[in-house]
Amino acid sequence: GENVEQHPSTLSVQEGDSAVIKCTYSDSASNYFPWYKQELGKRPQLIIDIRSNVGEKKDQRIAVTLNKTAKHFSLHITETQPEDSAVYFCAASKGGNTGKLIFGQGTTLQVKP
Amino acid sequence: EAQVTQNPRYLITVTGKKLTVTCSQNMNHEYMSWYRQDPGLGLRQIYYSMNVEVTDKGDVPEGYKVSRKEKRNFPLILESPSPNQTSLYFCASSLFSGNYGYTFGSGTRLTVV
Repeated sequence: GENVEQHPSTLSVQEGDSAVIKCTYSDSASNYFPWYKQELGKRPQLIIDIRSNVGEKKDQRIAVTLNKTAKHFSLHITETQPEDSAVYFCAASKGGNTGKLIFGQGTTLQVKP
Repeated sequence: EAQVTQNPRYLITVTGKKLTVTCSQNMNHEYMSWYRQDPGLGLRQIYYSMNVEVTDKGDVPEGYKVSRKEKRNFPLILESPSPNQTSLYFCASSLFSGNYGYTFGSGTRLTVV
């Protein structure tokens, strides 16, 4: 079945450094790739997404890149700040009748001051 | 304010005692879904609904029921809860299917003893 693998499971960086989280997906028909941030005790919130007709998307300090050939996509956070500390989830969907988002296992990012 | 409202936030119950977790959205979204979140397993889909009276199983539907009699409401029913259903549950909605960003509810932390 469809599967999304996310790495690493934990990531610790110094404030100001960059952080990269990678996901691979199994279904080549997937065409929508969102990223969610979940702060401790809170709900997941959409932070950025990308569709398969685009290779890269940026929003201030965060960016997502997509490599359809290799079936992987990555989240890049630059100039990390302590408030970036959270669990990040990638997901993939091919839309259609099932409308299902398949989530990765999550990455716990810790930004040390 | 556009939102997904889940109740209750916390629930402790005993094995076998039927319970319902409510979910309501005010965004006129067609798609609604229930997820459970467990450490190391990410977000796993329990059931989803593409529209009123249209529901289908996700990846982990055993022990759960849902209904979608109105567009805004999508309750999750545990007919006979068991300890392995102790988890953090999230309701989510999206405009159409999984190809649009999800809005998550605040979550329900369920403990079955």
